[in-house]
Amino acid sequence: GENVEQHPSTLSVQEGDSAVIKCTYSDSASNYFPWYKQELGKRPQLIIDIRSNVGEKKDQRIAVTLNKTAKHFSLHITETQPEDSAVYFCAALSNSGYALNFGKGTSLLVTP
Amino acid sequence: DAGVTQSPTHLIKTRGQQVTLRCSPKSGHDTVSWYQQALGQGPQFIFQYYEEEERQRGNFPDRFSGHQFPNYSSELNVNALLLGDSALYLCASSLGQGPNTIYFGEGSWLTVV
Repeated sequence: GENVEQHPSTLSVQEGDSAVIKCTYSDSASNYFPWYKQELGKRPQLIIDIRSNVGEKKDQRIAVTLNKTAKHFSLHITETQPEDSAVYFCAALSNSGYALNFGKGTSLLVTP
Repeated sequence: DAGVTQSPTHLIKTRGQQVTLRCSPKSGHDTVSWYQQALGQGPQFIFQYYEEEERQRGNFPDRFSGHQFPNYSSELNVNALLLGDSALYLCASSLGQGPNTIYFGEGSWLTVV
């Protein structure tokens, strides 16, 4: 089955700096890659997603890049703010199109 | 526009008991998936329902079962509860099949004692 690896597991940055989280996937048939932000005790909230027909997508301070050849995708957060502190999960949709396979998460801490 | 709603939000059960969790998908969505999220882990896919049938199952035992109703709402049932079933159970809804956006509900926190 699909295997998604996510790095780093923890990331600490100063407010205003950029943060980058990287994920790799194993199934070359995967074609949808969402990123979720999960605050303590809350649900995963979709922050950005990318489909396999594009290489990059931006939404204000957040961007995602996808390299299908290398089977990796990355989340970039610029001008980080303390409220960006949370656990971030990457995911890849399985080739069946039914199941999301998640990485283990990255705990991001943005210090003022 | 109602998002994904789940009930109950928290519950405590004893080992060996059975539990039923409920989910109403986002308005306009017809597909419901269930995920289990243990503390400190990413969500794990349990199964997905579409047109009232289980379309795919993850690596979970038969103690986990579900149902989808004609109005697209869904239930997750877990029998013979084990301590290890303690987790956040998330319902996710989407439209149809394929690379469509998936939204999660707030989840049901299950504690088995």
